[in-house]
Amino acid sequence: DQQVKQNSPSLSVQEGRISILNCDYTNSMFDYFLWYKKYPAEGPTFLISISSIKDKNEDGRFTVFLNKSAKHLSLHIVPSQPGDSAVYFCAATPRGGTSYGKLTFGQGTILTVHP
Amino acid sequence: EAGVAQSPRYKIIEKRQSVAFWCNPISGHATLYWYQQILGQGPKLLIQFQNNGVVDDSQLPKDRFSAERLKGVDSTLKIQPAKLEDSAVYLCASSLDLPGGDYGYTFGSGTRLTVV
Repeated sequence: DQQVKQNSPSLSVQEGRISILNCDYTNSMFDYFLWYKKYPAEGPTFLISISSIKDKNEDGRFTVFLNKSAKHLSLHIVPSQPGDSAVYFCAATPRGGTSYGKLTFGQGTILTVHP
Repeated sequence: EAGVAQSPRYKIIEKRQSVAFWCNPISGHATLYWYQQILGQGPKLLIQFQNNGVVDDSQLPKDRFSAERLKGVDSTLKIQPAKLEDSAVYLCASSLDLPGGDYGYTFGSGTRLTVV
């Protein structure tokens, strides 16, 4: 039962253009969402997050959009840079209860930014 | 601030052998997690500790996997006996217990296990 899905295994973008990574979830209990970036041979590093009370959160070149009714979120990177090439994971968790802090991850999307 | 330390970085064992992984979390982080990441998939939570107590081990295959966190600091994850499908990267993470933000989650670099 894949509760968090990233349906695009890979994405290729030209430097300077926008990268859009998508994520869908099925569990209505999820109310906090995070994006992680992972380089080879390293652990995932936190990128940006969004609470379900918001529909947008911005941090520099990174913006996350949340459509709660569609159970969909997306990460926009503008402008894309070659150093952004990595695997991007979407993750979700309830904020409270016994599942507090337990992240459910999507399968990841490999982003390649070409110079 | 030192990160989450894990060792070894790589391990190759034959099936039915045993293996152990070690994790040292960030100082002051009460919560520690072990995740399993199989190639092409996202990390999957195996076990969560709060100090030295287990909070959730519902996804830990207890017939072969065990984990402990002595004195609420370091943790070890053991597999005995290993199967081919255990080949994965084992990630340790630690976090503060404050709500909001990014949960203060920090991942280690992981241990890549290959079972042959």
